[in-house]
Amino acid sequence: DSGVTQTPKHLITATGQRVTLRCSPRSGDLSVYWYQQSLDQGLQFLIQYYNGEERAKGNILERFSAQQFPDLHSELNLSSLELGDSALYFCASSAGLAGINQPQHFGDGTRLSIL
Amino acid sequence: AQTVTQSQPEMSVQEAETVTLSCTYDTSENNYYLFWYKQPPSRQMILVIRQEAYKQQNATENRFSVNFQKAAKSFSLKISDSQLGDTAMYFCAFMKIQGGSEKLVFGKGTKLTVNP
Repeated sequence: DSGVTQTPKHLITATGQRVTLRCSPRSGDLSVYWYQQSLDQGLQFLIQYYNGEERAKGNILERFSAQQFPDLHSELNLSSLELGDSALYFCASSAGLAGINQPQHFGDGTRLSIL
Repeated sequence: AQTVTQSQPEMSVQEAETVTLSCTYDTSENNYYLFWYKQPPSRQMILVIRQEAYKQQNATENRFSVNFQKAAKSFSLKISDSQLGDTAMYFCAFMKIQGGSEKLVFGKGTKLTVNP
């Protein structure tokens, strides 16, 4: 158990809809990272937050947004969903800014299926 | 931009034998970190081993060790005495030390099957 909690584990919805994925980092971890794992794109970095502030953006679509709350949990919002958004979405956390002694610990992921 | 290449989409090995998974990367950075993550069928992402680029000594973690060749930009993973529980996808990942983000850049993965 990594200590990173993601909910829900599975989400099935239709095109055009909006969903929210939630992540609770390990106790005390300040950094949260979101990754998308799809068959065609592999594992890709979406966005990073550090202590409530956005720190870096990766290949995140404009239809997607995220935030980190004062209690350090994070939410990833996906809107106007398309079939291609079907993927496994991972959240990871690290104590501070990740490094060799503070690796990223991953949650179990949320499997999003768009019908 | 950094890229990570895993040239072996699938590999298999007999239980108790040794297997090596390949990883190469492209970067202009001099200092960085490299990781191997394991993703079993349960789909968790589990950190296997980590290496600092400025350390010449290869990292080891029990049955797992790496062969880090900085000049060749190669970071292979050796699994000794393979066990059935080692069956998983293995991802090589790169992280810059500086630059405003601690994101991981992943390779496409190698699917390893350990056969009894």
